[in-house]
Amino acid sequence: QVQLQESGPGLVKPSETLSLTCPVSGASISSSYWSWIRQSPGKGLEWIGYISNTGSTNYSPSLKSRVTISVDTSKNQFSLRLSSVTAADTAVYYCAGAPRGNWFDPWGQGTLVTVSS
Amino acid sequence: EVVMTQSPATLSVSPGERATLSCRASQSVSSNLAWYQQKPGQAPRLLIYGASTRATGIPARFSGSGSGTEFTLTISSLQSEDFAVFYCQQYNNWPQTFGQGTKVEIK
Repeated sequence: QVQLQESGPGLVKPSETLSLTCPVSGASISSSYWSWIRQSPGKGLEWIGYISNTGSTNYSPSLKSRVTISVDTSKNQFSLRLSSVTAADTAVYYCAGAPRGNWFDPWGQGTLVTVSS
Repeated sequence: EVVMTQSPATLSVSPGERATLSCRASQSVSSNLAWYQQKPGQAPRLLIYGASTRATGIPARFSGSGSGTEFTLTISSLQSEDFAVFYCQQYNNWPQTFGQGTKVEIK
């Protein structure tokens, strides 16, 4: 059974960089695509981007200039970096498996990140 | 980007009754549509992909149909554990986009 769990700071200051990691258990990180999705009251569910099993990435056009998704195969985990954050980036962030980059399954439990000084 | 519109926003249903949820795409997404269920404080859970294929472990009372721009999720006989918010998601066009959700509540 594939399991994911987001980890990282719950509070980030405006203009700084949000960094989250997602260790994967039950599957090799090189076996699939992996995604980040966020959910906020104002914007609902928003796809951030994915990284493929070959390491290629695809990002939402609205976030592309600020997002980096990477993989660490030695730790079997993938990561999200979102730079120059503002209050609008406050959300619950989820990592998820993304078969062929399409639907999302399974999901991590989610982690709330608040952007505030 | 493709806008996904779900209706109704809230659906009040009695246990044992049938629930029918709708999802409309602003342009054709073929059959590249998924449905998710989200309970309070939990992550979404995949129910359906390919518009009509149930994900692993999903009970047969959940069924999906439709193609193009009009899709339906049907819960044939609502159980107490089914009350939640349901989202549709298209993955035919980049970027993937979600609907705003339909809350199924106990009548």
